[in-house]
Amino acid sequence: DTGVSQDPRHKITKRGQNVTFRCDPISEHNRLYWYRQTLGQGPEFLTYFQNEAQLEKSRLLSDRFSAERPKGSFSTLEIQRTEQGDSAMYLCASSLGTNTYEQYFGPGTRLTVT
Amino acid sequence: GDSVTQMEGPVTLSEEAFLTINCTYTATGYPSLFWYVQYPGEGLQLLLKATKADDKGSNKGFEATYRKETTSFHLEKGSVQVSDSAVYFCALSGTGANNLFFGTGTRLTVIP
Repeated sequence: DTGVSQDPRHKITKRGQNVTFRCDPISEHNRLYWYRQTLGQGPEFLTYFQNEAQLEKSRLLSDRFSAERPKGSFSTLEIQRTEQGDSAMYLCASSLGTNTYEQYFGPGTRLTVT
Repeated sequence: GDSVTQMEGPVTLSEEAFLTINCTYTATGYPSLFWYVQYPGEGLQLLLKATKADDKGSNKGFEATYRKETTSFHLEKGSVQVSDSAVYFCALSGTGANNLFFGTGTRLTVIP
């Protein structure tokens, strides 16, 4: 069990560019979550997948954001036409079964939009 | 909606001091409650949990008791160590919810 991994760990981009982040969950975990964390705040839920199905999206997930989990394993989060307000830490977590209780978090991808 | 209110920091304590970080929640039904910890440069880790009223979660010398009457889940440790320096997040998962709601976090610094 290597834990949840995220790539890249840091991303600096210019406003208006598109960025994509990847998350590899713990291998047997069928649920995968994305959260966003801004400085001085706790993580805020964005979306989650059960296997390859995206079952819930937060109102925080604007039309510029899209997430996929094509084979029920890794997931990608894409932000189009980035804005400075998108600067944050993007966290991925996974869990087993329908047990929301124990979500295992990755180290996060820190996005800076200049 | 569901929410968590957490004691603001930062908190600075001397080694071996007693720690309390307050957390209260608002939720319908019977949420599950958690404390997560984030050590410098690392991802969030589950520290302890309690899934029903009066349950006590404990781990690494930390404890928290699910108090439904006061809607609280305060984190305590009798004797903190320098290695406990981290940011602590209180969180809940509402009845039937598929995500966690987090507090704003409390930064703890323990000095020798």
